[in-house]
Amino acid sequence: QKEVEQNSGPLSVPEGAIASLNCTYSDRGSQSFFWYRQYSGKSPELIMFIYSNGDKEDGRFTAQLNKASQYVSLLIRDSQPSDSATYLCAVFRYNQGGKLIFGQGTELSVKP
Amino acid sequence: EADIYQTPRYLVIGTGKKITLECSQTMGHDKMYWYQQDPGMELHLIHYSYGVNSTEKGDLSSESTVSRIRTEHFPLTLESARPSHTSQYLCASSERQEDEQYFGPGTRLTVT
Repeated sequence: QKEVEQNSGPLSVPEGAIASLNCTYSDRGSQSFFWYRQYSGKSPELIMFIYSNGDKEDGRFTAQLNKASQYVSLLIRDSQPSDSATYLCAVFRYNQGGKLIFGQGTELSVKP
Repeated sequence: EADIYQTPRYLVIGTGKKITLECSQTMGHDKMYWYQQDPGMELHLIHYSYGVNSTEKGDLSSESTVSRIRTEHFPLTLESARPSHTSQYLCASSERQEDEQYFGPGTRLTVT
């Protein structure tokens, strides 16, 4: 079992719809959670981070964290074709020296 | 915006050559990282450093080596390049281990 798991997709949504990306993690002690966007051939760029249970909103993006269930999600409202990319979930694992663990990414395709 | 740079951006080189991939950041971050990523695949941590004169191997075994003589500079060296080294190499930095990592633009290496 991978420490951070994401559905690889591709996830296809029509333009204007809500895209929902999910991520589960195995280390119950994890405290820091990040969502990155990576366009094909480019490097990852940070979209959002979340530390506390609940929702965190930034423009069209909402990150949701549920530590009891060990999952973190990213909602993209009013999806645009420019949102088409791979979304990486990253979780900071404190034990064994501390390390940021990346999921394998979910490919999102927004159709016009 | 993160200030982290990598050179060269693209490199095509023959088998057996020695190469050094450069990474530098102007944010004063102590923590720096090297990742390897094949197209459509997940990120693999190959080296990291938590400060000057500190380097560690990551989760993915790599024949490369790194050095950290100055805070801002974290070069990666391959003594003898092989076709199996063909990949994208991404450098990143963070202020603390548990903080978000900022990525450079990457170096796409092709070994013929």
